[in-house]
Amino acid sequence: DIVMTQSPDSLAVSLGERATINCKSSQSVLYDSNNKNYLAWYQQKPGQPPKLLIYWASTRQSGVPDRFSGSGSGTDFTLTINSLQAEDVAVYYCQQYYSTLFTFGPGTKVNIK
Amino acid sequence: QVQLQQWGAGLLKPSETLSLTCAVFGGSFSGYYWSWIRQPPGKGLEWIGDINHSRNTNYNPSLKGRVTISVDTSNKQFSLKLTSVTAADTAVYYCARGGRYSRLAPIDYWGQGTLVTVSS
Repeated sequence: DIVMTQSPDSLAVSLGERATINCKSSQSVLYDSNNKNYLAWYQQKPGQPPKLLIYWASTRQSGVPDRFSGSGSGTDFTLTINSLQAEDVAVYYCQQYYSTLFTFGPGTKVNIK
Repeated sequence: QVQLQQWGAGLLKPSETLSLTCAVFGGSFSGYYWSWIRQPPGKGLEWIGDINHSRNTNYNPSLKGRVTISVDTSNKQFSLKLTSVTAADTAVYYCARGGRYSRLAPIDYWGQGTLVTVSS
């Protein structure tokens, strides 16, 4: 299994400031044949299902605000939320789909400071 | 707009069989991979397995042969059965849509979730 880890477990950021979440996979999720990283980010608010934010490590899903961005390659990835808004309070998960056994990170809780 | 609507029993006793169904509205059904994912209360996400319209399935080995996912293409529905449930299977269960023509794709649409509680 590919094990996904995230850091920090939680963070509190002031409104308008930047939030940075890290994700690490136990093996590379970069497919050499197409140079794509099989890594997605999801946002989950209380009582709701997860929502896809980013796929292929850095491609924003349609309708996702451009303050959300993803970066990284291989085994190390980052989700950045620029200018944090109140509605961004949520738990954020990374997920690999490189292997047919999909695995998720444990989640990072983002709150307002 | 794609919508996934799911239903099934929410309270089970240990050793019973969990049974959930998900209906897909809007968009195409054929060609996509349809997944089940669960989330124990207050915890993270666990992928259970998936199926496509050709009934090609893939399961999480951690569920040790207890899981079966089936599909009804004529009604655009897919179902989950999990046998011999225990308290450890208590979770919110989500149905979801994966990739088209490729299993290796992100999950882009999710059902609303069903809380299944296993208790004697």
